[in-house]
Amino acid sequence: QVQLQESGPGLVKPSETLSLTCTVSGDSISSYYWNWIRQPPGKGLEWIGHVYHTGSTNYNPSFKSRVAILVDTSRNQFSLKLSPVTAADTAVYYCAKDVGGAYSTWGQGTLVTVSS
Amino acid sequence: DIQMTQSPSSLSASVGDTVTLACRASQDISNFLAWFQQKPGKAPKSLIYAASNLQSGVPSRFSASGSGTDFALSISSLQPEDSAIYYCQQYSSYPITFGQGTRLEIK
Repeated sequence: QVQLQESGPGLVKPSETLSLTCTVSGDSISSYYWNWIRQPPGKGLEWIGHVYHTGSTNYNPSFKSRVAILVDTSRNQFSLKLSPVTAADTAVYYCAKDVGGAYSTWGQGTLVTVSS
Repeated sequence: DIQMTQSPSSLSASVGDTVTLACRASQDISNFLAWFQQKPGKAPKSLIYAASNLQSGVPSRFSASGSGTDFALSISSLQPEDSAIYYCQQYSSYPITFGQGTRLEIK
């Protein structure tokens, strides 16, 4: 059974870098697309971007050049970096597996608060 | 970006009822549409992909239809556990976008 688990700091200071890792278990990361999605408190879902096992990426332009999603096939992990952050980046961040458009498996989500 | 508009924003229904949730895309997305269910404090759960394909393990009370710009999710024989927010998502083109959600309350 595939499981995804997000990890990383729950508190980040404004202007610094948000760094999260998603660890994939029960499946190889060497297939499919691996996504980051976020949800500000009380609001809807926003797609951040995804990475293929080759390292190929697609990002939401709304994040401009602030975002990077990397894959580490040796550790079966992929990561998110967002910099610089502001209070508007406070959200629950989810990682998800994309199988031909079906986001069949999600992590439980991790709340990241941007505050000094 | 393709805008996804869901209606209604919220609705209330009784156990045993059938409800239909709508989702409209701002341009033709063929059948590149998914539906998700989200309960408070939980990650979204995939219900439907490719507009009408039921995700494995999802009860057959859930069904979906549509193509192009207009889509619908129907839930029959409503159960208390169906109380949730339902989101549609298009994956026809980047950036992938979600609707704003429909909140379903079970009376």
